[in-house]
Amino acid sequence: GEDVEQSLFLSVREGDSSVINCTYTDSSSTYLYWYKQEPGAGLQLLTYIFSNMDMKQDQRLTVLLNKKDKHLSLRIADTQTGDSAIYFCAETFSGGYNKLIFGAGTRLAVHP
Amino acid sequence: SQTIHQWPATLVQPVGSPLSLECTVEGTSNPNLYWYRQAAGRGLQLLFYSVGIGQISSEVPQNLSASRPQDRQFILSSKKLLLSDSGFYLCAWTSLGRSYGYTFGSGTRLTVV
Repeated sequence: GEDVEQSLFLSVREGDSSVINCTYTDSSSTYLYWYKQEPGAGLQLLTYIFSNMDMKQDQRLTVLLNKKDKHLSLRIADTQTGDSAIYFCAETFSGGYNKLIFGAGTRLAVHP
Repeated sequence: SQTIHQWPATLVQPVGSPLSLECTVEGTSNPNLYWYRQAAGRGLQLLFYSVGIGQISSEVPQNLSASRPQDRQFILSSKKLLLSDSGFYLCAWTSLGRSYGYTFGSGTRLTVV
């Protein structure tokens, strides 16, 4: 079935690293995504990883993919207050139509 | 460049009133279009998607309907709103084979009172 799971809340101190975890079920997903939602706004694509990759780094963001365990993580280095937001993990649905299945979102709170 | 517009940004409607939310995409043709709803403190629920004019697929049976009268226009409607229809509605688009997922509109905050 289609299911993406994330922990709902993460609190970190400013300057520390944040790690947001996600598990997914569809092993045939082509791409996996991380989106960021700031209060009252739409979703903004942060990064994505192709399913044949293990890792992708983009400035402060590092995505790790463990296909065997169907586990995806997003690491934010040197977390800033501006990183406070909800982060959504999403997988492509193998049934077609470019459907994305989203997790419930992890609320990241950054405190001084 | 491609852009997506969604309006209105906020809406307060009484129970039993009709609803019409509009989403348009510019700078691309034949996009896949999606309506999602985000209830307070919850994740995203896919409501409808469309792969072409007049083609609508419903994911969740509910009080809402969707239409695609033009290639780049997607409308979410209801004849009679319920309190449970309150939420944050997001429109999104992508194209077949586009690797970088969806582009979302800025959302409509609907409060049914």
